[in-house]
Order: sequence, then structure tokens, then C-alpha cells
Amino acid sequence: AQKVTQAQTEISVVEKEDVTLDCVYETRDTTYYLFWYKQPPSGELVFLIRRNSFDEQNEISGRYSWNFQKSTSSFNFTITASQVVDSAVYFCALKGGTSYGKLTFGQGTILTVHP
Amino acid sequence: DVKVTQSSRYLVKRTGEKVFLECVQDMDHENMFWYRQDPGLGLRLIYFSYDVKMKEKGDIPEGYSVSREKKERFSLILESASTNQTSMYLCASSPPRGQVQDTEAFFGQGTRLTVV
Repeated sequence: AQKVTQAQTEISVVEKEDVTLDCVYETRDTTYYLFWYKQPPSGELVFLIRRNSFDEQNEISGRYSWNFQKSTSSFNFTITASQVVDSAVYFCALKGGTSYGKLTFGQGTILTVHP
Repeated sequence: DVKVTQSSRYLVKRTGEKVFLECVQDMDHENMFWYRQDPGLGLRLIYFSYDVKMKEKGDIPEGYSVSREKKERFSLILESASTNQTSMYLCASSPPRGQVQDTEAFFGQGTRLTVV
């Protein structure tokens, strides 16, 4: 069975603060994929990043960065210099290598960035 | 761009009613999914379909059924709506394995269903 845990239910920060969203996963698959999605108030899930299990290279995209560590089964997401527009629900998700694209989601982290 | 469209953003139904939630995708994707989103529980898979007329149960199929008569359309059916089915429902699609983006799912805007 697969499992994704986002221990932080809600995070509140002031604009320009850095914030890290934690994600820990469990899977028996040797090949798997990890994702982060953002859900703004409009409701639609917006894809942010995909990382496969063979690629532990960290990634930076503008103010966003991701740290993937297989040794600790973690895939953490950092927003640098947060902005009010970053306020959303963020989901970490896992897909096994042999599935039909089924995603196992974490519980989600509600991020509120105050001006 | 891939577009996944759900027929309603908001829906209010009465207990015992039969409810249809419709989802259409325009990218010729083989795989389609219905998730339910509840606070503190994240998204949970109800049903998915990997081809026309094919369906498989997800993690929480009880009280739901699905229909996929055409490739682009995947319907979620609540046979007899109950108050504990009040939730946000999200439809998604993804291409089959072997395609470049087969690991990414594209989501609709969600349907917030309230059963009274």
C-alpha cells in the first residue's frame, strides 16, 4: 500500500518569509513518481512538479524549490520570499510505477500568506 | 492545453436523489479518474477508468458507480445521495503509460456537492 503524509495541516506566514512544506511517503515500488500540486481558491489543481524515483537532483524554479531524499522518503517543497498569491492548499502525491496514473495524495497543507 | 471540464461547479441535491456528475476531457486520454476531496483527508480515489466501458474501484467506491460510454466522458453516479457524500469532487485524466507525460494527471475545476 502507498501512503503520503503531510504533517502540517496549516501554515501561516507573513509575506517575504520562506516556508517549507513537508512530505513523507511510503511505497514498495522501486519505480515511482512524486508530485506537488497547488489548489488555489478557484478549486482546480495546478501541477507544479514531477520527480521520478531515479532522479534525486533537487530542483529550483523561480521562488520554488524541491528537495527529494530517498533515504528519508521525503519530498519537501520550499517557497522563498512568499507572496500573498502563494496562499493555497498544497498537495503532495505519489504514483506507483505500474499503476494507471492513479495518484495517492497527502492530506494537504493550507498555506496562508499575510501581507 | 489539456482541458478537463466538469459540468457543474456547485450542486445541491436532496437525500435519496440520484445524482450525476459529468466530466469531459479533450485530449484523447485513456485514463480518467474521480476523486473526492475532504478537509484533512486530501483527495481519495473513488473510481477510475483506463478505457471505454472499463472501470475499476478506487479506495472509496461505496455508494458510487461510474459510466464511461465514450472516451472523452466519465460520469460519476450517486445512486441514492446521502449527507455524508457532501464533498468536493474532482475529475482527472491522464494519457496511457508510455507517452511522454503519462505520469501527470490533469484536473477539472471541481464540483462542490451539497446533499441536504
